[in-house]
Amino acid sequence: DTEVTQTPKHLVMGMTNKKSLKCEQHMGHRAMYWYKQKAKKPPELMFVYSYEKLSINESVPSRFSPECPNSSLLNLHLHALQPEDSALYLCASSQDYGGPPGNTIYFGEGSWLTVV
Amino acid sequence: RKEVEQDPGPFNVPEGATVAFNCTYSNSASQSFFWYRQDCRKEPKLLMSVYSSGNEDGRFTAQLNRASQYISLLIRDSKLSDSATYLCVVNPSSNTGKLIFGQGTTLQVKP
Repeated sequence: DTEVTQTPKHLVMGMTNKKSLKCEQHMGHRAMYWYKQKAKKPPELMFVYSYEKLSINESVPSRFSPECPNSSLLNLHLHALQPEDSALYLCASSQDYGGPPGNTIYFGEGSWLTVV
Repeated sequence: RKEVEQDPGPFNVPEGATVAFNCTYSNSASQSFFWYRQDCRKEPKLLMSVYSSGNEDGRFTAQLNRASQYISLLIRDSKLSDSATYLCVVNPSSNTGKLIFGQGTTLQVKP
């Protein structure tokens, strides 16, 4: 079982809605990530937080807004999404961002998002 | 050229077969290498890290060839439960944790 927990597992939202995805890990990891995955494609990196600070934003549209309230929690706030944003959103964590070879990333089960 | 390339398959093999997946990467300075397994509609799960000396875990063997910039995964005695997509993942730099994913190779093991 994954030690990265994501809620909700499924979310359907309208294009004018505001919703949030939540992620929690208790492994003491200092780096947390949001990935987006479309069908039959590999995960695409969206954001990286290291020590609760945003380290990487992969030119993600502002309708996606990440937040890291503390070292164990990561949120993704969603507003005015488009149908093409429908995808699996994966949270992940690792001991550190970068660091020694073998610094492994662990994924949560994901949140399936459908925008209607 | 893609940074990490895999043959997408699908590989259709009978139970008990031995199957090998290959992956090439373009950045010769890449530091870390992994194989992840992803079942349909599930999250990627770490299968193995790949070390220069090669490593084995039960029926699974991973090899790294830095000179050829090539990673392989060998699965012996395939089980029905091995059916999944196998993602080759490379960390190109020790300064970042930004993983580069291959497109994935789909394996279907048939009875």
